[in-house]
Amino acid sequence: DQQVKQNSPSLSVQEGRISILNCDYTNSMFDYFLWYKKYPAEGPTFLISISSIKDKNEDGRFTVFLNKSAKHLSLHIVPSQPGDSAVYFCAASGGGLGRGSTLGRLYFGRGTQLTVWP
Amino acid sequence: SAVISQKPSRDICQRGTSLTIQCQVDSQVTMMFWYRQQPGQSLTLIATANQGSEATYESGFVIDKFPISRPNLTFSTLTVSNMSPEDSSIYLCSVETGDGKWVTEAFFGQGTRLTVV
Repeated sequence: DQQVKQNSPSLSVQEGRISILNCDYTNSMFDYFLWYKKYPAEGPTFLISISSIKDKNEDGRFTVFLNKSAKHLSLHIVPSQPGDSAVYFCAASGGGLGRGSTLGRLYFGRGTQLTVWP
Repeated sequence: SAVISQKPSRDICQRGTSLTIQCQVDSQVTMMFWYRQQPGQSLTLIATANQGSEATYESGFVIDKFPISRPNLTFSTLTVSNMSPEDSSIYLCSVETGDGKWVTEAFFGQGTRLTVV
């Protein structure tokens, strides 16, 4: 059962414009959300995160928005650059899902391939 | 942060053989995690590797198929045993940091792209 969903497998955006990547989750126990970027032949790298006490977190060109009532979050990239072309994974974490420690596991979406064209 | 070295980066293996993937972290960590990403699928946790005890496997994964070693706090191996084409995936090791309650960040190796023929 996919608890974190990224329903758009791909997104194509022109350079300079905004990229919006969406993520939905089903488990209300999730309280911390992360975005990862993955280039081919590399492991995912952390991009930005947000906790449930916030509805927005901004870091440079990247902003994550969280709508808890809708169980939805989105990653905005403004302005988009060709170097942003990668697969973006949404992940969620919740303490109630712990595996024998105080740290809960991460649940990942399937990823969205972003292509930014000149 | 943590730097993770994973090898091999890719391999093509014959059906029925086994492959051992190594993961080295540049700092001591209590838990290391092994993930699998099948084509078009999300990252799926295989198991958690604890130093000094048996690995904890997620539903659908068993020790006979994916034996794990964790000899010290900076190193782990995952073996994919008796491989079949369905095992063709990217395998990733990971470590996590947290604030004591939640996982707040995870670091990944570069992955091992396995093709079973």
